[in-house]
Amino acid sequence: GIQVEQSPPDLILQEGANSTLRCNFSDSVNNLQWFHQNPWGQLINLFYIPSGTKQNGRLSATTVATERYSLLYISSSQTTDSGVYFCAVERMAAGNKLTFGGGTRVLVKP
Amino acid sequence: DTAVSQTPKYLVTQMGNDKSIKCEQNLGHDTMYWYKQDSKKFLKIMFSYNNKELIINETVPNRFSPKSPDKAHLNLHINSLELGDSAVYFCASSQTVGYGYTFGSGTRLTVV
Repeated sequence: GIQVEQSPPDLILQEGANSTLRCNFSDSVNNLQWFHQNPWGQLINLFYIPSGTKQNGRLSATTVATERYSLLYISSSQTTDSGVYFCAVERMAAGNKLTFGGGTRVLVKP
Repeated sequence: DTAVSQTPKYLVTQMGNDKSIKCEQNLGHDTMYWYKQDSKKFLKIMFSYNNKELIINETVPNRFSPKSPDKAHLNLHINSLELGDSAVYFCASSQTVGYGYTFGSGTRLTVV
């Protein structure tokens, strides 16, 4: 099946810092999403981004489908950005399912 | 509110018991899923249903039985619960290709 690798596994930031999270995937995909799992366990959909670039406030994401990677940028980080960030991909030839990466655990310190 | 809602949010039960988790979506999506998140936060698909038909069963023990009475509901029944079943179970839904997945808020199952 398709492999999804996220880096770094852990990230500690000072409030106000910028950071980049990376997601590499092993095959072509039809769907790629970024999720934030907050400390209460909720999975919040950040971006649906199988290709191109999107921005939402302080967050933006870029997927380069031909090179099989996606990047999530967090600018001016806040303590509420803490949690685990997941990249997940779907490859229709493999059936309707999202395959998740292992996540990047982010801690933003005040 | 349009959403995927699952109940209960927390479930603590003894080994050997049978329990159910319910999921409902009002997004008009055709496909619904159950995902399991283990203690290391890894998320893995268990089942998917499209218009009430089972599409994916990812080698889940047959103690787990999903049921979809209609395309807006997907319930998960677990028989003879074991300690290793302790996890967070997420329900999700999606439309056809070109749209993202929406997840419920999760059910934290603890087997004691």
